[in-house]
Amino acid sequence: EPEVTQTPSHQVTQMGQEVILRCVPISNHLYFYWYRQILGQKVEFLVSFYNNEISEKSEIFDDQFSVERPDGSNFTLKIRSTKLEDSAMYFCASSVPPPGETQYFGPGTRLLVL
Amino acid sequence: DAKTTQPNSMESNEEEPVHLPCNHSTISGTDYIHWYRQLPSQGPEYVIHGLTSNVNNRMASLAIAEDRKSSTLILHRATLRDAAVYYCILRRVYNTDKLIFGTGTRLQVFP
Repeated sequence: EPEVTQTPSHQVTQMGQEVILRCVPISNHLYFYWYRQILGQKVEFLVSFYNNEISEKSEIFDDQFSVERPDGSNFTLKIRSTKLEDSAMYFCASSVPPPGETQYFGPGTRLLVL
Repeated sequence: DAKTTQPNSMESNEEEPVHLPCNHSTISGTDYIHWYRQLPSQGPEYVIHGLTSNVNNRMASLAIAEDRKSSTLILHRATLRDAAVYYCILRRVYNTDKLIFGTGTRLQVFP
């Protein structure tokens, strides 16, 4: 069964450093998402991406964050200058059109900012 | 977005049926009821969804009240692997594609 994959599974970085989290969505999916979950808290929506542009973003997704689909298979989340509060589990998800269809989540990247 | 209310936690014994309730009294006519679950240390996983009629799939059944103000996710025979946080989420089709997660119901399954 096709699945969403994410790399790395864990990342430790120093505050102020840039990190790139990578995702390979399911191949025929056209909608892509990033969510995050701070330890012990809810899963929070960050951004959705369709047709090579952001379709919706949350208040969390400020100028420090960016997303990109650099080729036909990868979908990345970049955090330019990490803060301690960016420590969380980051989940990528993808779905077929139209919006509102089932989202398939990856296993997540655990980011720890020191 | 319409709000859902779920119990914080529930317990079950293995091989017994589990009924996970969700209240959504402000649901609109175009809101689908989706259920996702999150196993420990994993990403959320789709379980089932419905609009008005009861739905069954290989994982679970979804019973929707006639007035649609509540629904119940039914696991017919709980296994240890079903221990997870279960989220009831309303989605207005074609209006938004994000999922808004609440705190969900943490289901514990005992052998």
